Amino acid sequence: DVKVTQSSRYLVKRTGEKVFLECVQDMDHENMFWYRQDPGLGLRLIYFSYDVKMKEKGDIPEGYSVSREKKERFSLILESASTNQTSMYLCASSSLGREQKETQYFGPGTRLLVL
Amino acid sequence: AQKVTQAQTEISVVEKEDVTLDCVYETRDTTYYLFWYKQPPSGELVFLIRRNSFDEQNEISGRYSWNFQKSTSSFNFTITASQVVDSAVYFCALSDVMDSNYQLIWGAGTKLIIKP
Repeated sequence: DVKVTQSSRYLVKRTGEKVFLECVQDMDHENMFWYRQDPGLGLRLIYFSYDVKMKEKGDIPEGYSVSREKKERFSLILESASTNQTSMYLCASSSLGREQKETQYFGPGTRLLVL
Repeated sequence: AQKVTQAQTEISVVEKEDVTLDCVYETRDTTYYLFWYKQPPSGELVFLIRRNSFDEQNEISGRYSWNFQKSTSSFNFTITASQVVDSAVYFCALSDVMDSNYQLIWGAGTKLIIKP
């Protein structure tokens, strides 16, 4: 089974803090993604990465950065957290393999509250 | 441009009823993939099915079935004899070869409530 884990299920931070959200997958997937999910707005892609040290902006990258130093790990960084970044953050991974291409597998999500 | 429409925001049925969740997509590509995911209250998105554009056969998996119709650009999901555990938000998504670049285009989701 594909396993994607996220470092925290719930997180409370203060405005202005630097926040790290970690995601690890154990299936040797090439692609990894960070989404945020808000009521009424659905899933929105923040950043994705298709290889180590590679990153691509998604639809809403402002206020975020990412790091992919190892294939299995993809970190989302909020340089200076703001209240409008309170959200559910979902990490996903997918393989370039022929049979499973484009199928994204998700972690359990991190509910972040910024006060 | 690609688009996925799930017109039903919320559906509520009584347990054991059959229910169909609609998904309509738009793409200019001839090669594409369609997906359904389930998001229970715990929050994790669970992959249910992946279908490629060249395979129009309907799929059945237990109480779940999917009806793919290219003529109407629809990929509908039916739950037969619904159960309370089916209560969740269900998302339909699209990925095509031409524009997606490994990304999924998501529908807004349909919240399904199964009442005992």
